[in-house]
Amino acid sequence: GDSVTQMEGPVTLSEEAFLTINCTYTATGYPSLFWYVQYPGEGLQLLLKATKADDKGSNKGFEATYRKETTSFHLEKGSVQVSDSAVYFCALGDRGTASKLTFGTGTRLQVTL
Amino acid sequence: DTEVTQTPKHLVMGMTNKKSLKCEQHMGHRAMYWYKQKAKKPPELMFVYSYEKLSINESVPSRFSPECPNSSLLNLHLHALQPEDSALYLCASSQEVDSTEAFFGQGTRLTVV
Repeated sequence: GDSVTQMEGPVTLSEEAFLTINCTYTATGYPSLFWYVQYPGEGLQLLLKATKADDKGSNKGFEATYRKETTSFHLEKGSVQVSDSAVYFCALGDRGTASKLTFGTGTRLQVTL
Repeated sequence: DTEVTQTPKHLVMGMTNKKSLKCEQHMGHRAMYWYKQKAKKPPELMFVYSYEKLSINESVPSRFSPECPNSSLLNLHLHALQPEDSALYLCASSQEVDSTEAFFGQGTRLTVV
């Protein structure tokens, strides 16, 4: 079945540091890939998405590129802020949709001053 | 309006109680979902509704009973729950089941005592 593997957290960075959170996936067919963010005590917010190979999703300074050859969708940001502290979930959508999302285990990011 | 609204935000119930979770969206979406998220775990899909009909039940115990009374509303009726059912219950919606973006509500944090 489909699965998503994320790097273990927590990740602790100083403000303005470069962020990478690794995500790899296993899927049959052609999934869509997503990054969701969850702030403490809240639901999930879609951060960015990519629906086909080589697509780059970007939002709020975050980027991720759908790499079919390495089955990866790593999240990057050039300069993190304290307000980016949250849990980040990589997810894949069945058959290229968001209809049946399979999530990774989540990576907690803590940004300090 | 790009919101999915869930009520209540918090719920404490006894094992013999009957309660309901409510989810509402006014984006004209025809697909709605229930996910369950245990502490420090990723969300897991429970049910999918498409055009007010149940299309996916991920082998959820019958003590959880979903209902979609109209295209804007999704309920989750709870009866005879166990303490291990304590979790954050997330509702989501998308334009159609094959859409590439799903919007999540803030969740209902359920505690079963």
